[in-house]
Amino acid sequence: SAVISQKPSRDICQRGTSLTIQCQVDSQVTMMFWYRQQPGQSLTLIATANQGSEATYESGFVIDKFPISRPNLTFSTLTVSNMSPEDSSIYLCSVLDTEAFFGQGTRLTVV
Amino acid sequence: SQQGEEDPQALSIQEGENATMNCSYKTSINNLQWYRQNSGRGLVHLILIRSNEREKHSGRLRVTLDTSKKSSSLLITASRAADTASYFCAPLPGGSYIPTFGRGTSLIVHP
Repeated sequence: SAVISQKPSRDICQRGTSLTIQCQVDSQVTMMFWYRQQPGQSLTLIATANQGSEATYESGFVIDKFPISRPNLTFSTLTVSNMSPEDSSIYLCSVLDTEAFFGQGTRLTVV
Repeated sequence: SQQGEEDPQALSIQEGENATMNCSYKTSINNLQWYRQNSGRGLVHLILIRSNEREKHSGRLRVTLDTSKKSSSLLITASRAADTASYFCAPLPGGSYIPTFGRGTSLIVHP
């Protein structure tokens, strides 16, 4: 199993600013995943983050908007850049074993 | 990867009643997992059923899988108010390891 500490748990941000979300895992993992969940919607995979290489982004998501860092096997950050109200969502990080483990999510509101 | 479609979208029951949620998917799978999300927080893994299994139990949870119909169901028996949450299925095709999620079933259990 894996325990993931994600922070901040929530934030209210001004449009045009950026927010960096951090995820710390209690064990070394090869891949970490970042999801977005818009209000009332399903979880959408943003990107897969491997240590030592650039993240792989899903269709509709770009590095300039969602830069990701993966400096080691236990830590990753996702930045939501130049935010607009449409970025208001819950952002979740996840790791995989035989099942997926999730952080507690970051509830972002952009005003 | 493929996304499961949960049905119904919303379910409201009284404490003590059973809750049944269904999941349909499109292609053959290796396994299917069910997750629970409390109030916009991180998802928690509930149960995994493999493609060669037809039924699995865990406490008050019972999951069935019908690969001929490409469907699964999650039954929560003797529901409690604390079962109020959203429930998601994640079918995993062969060669895929990243779970994808539908919109989920929002379950409300009234005390």
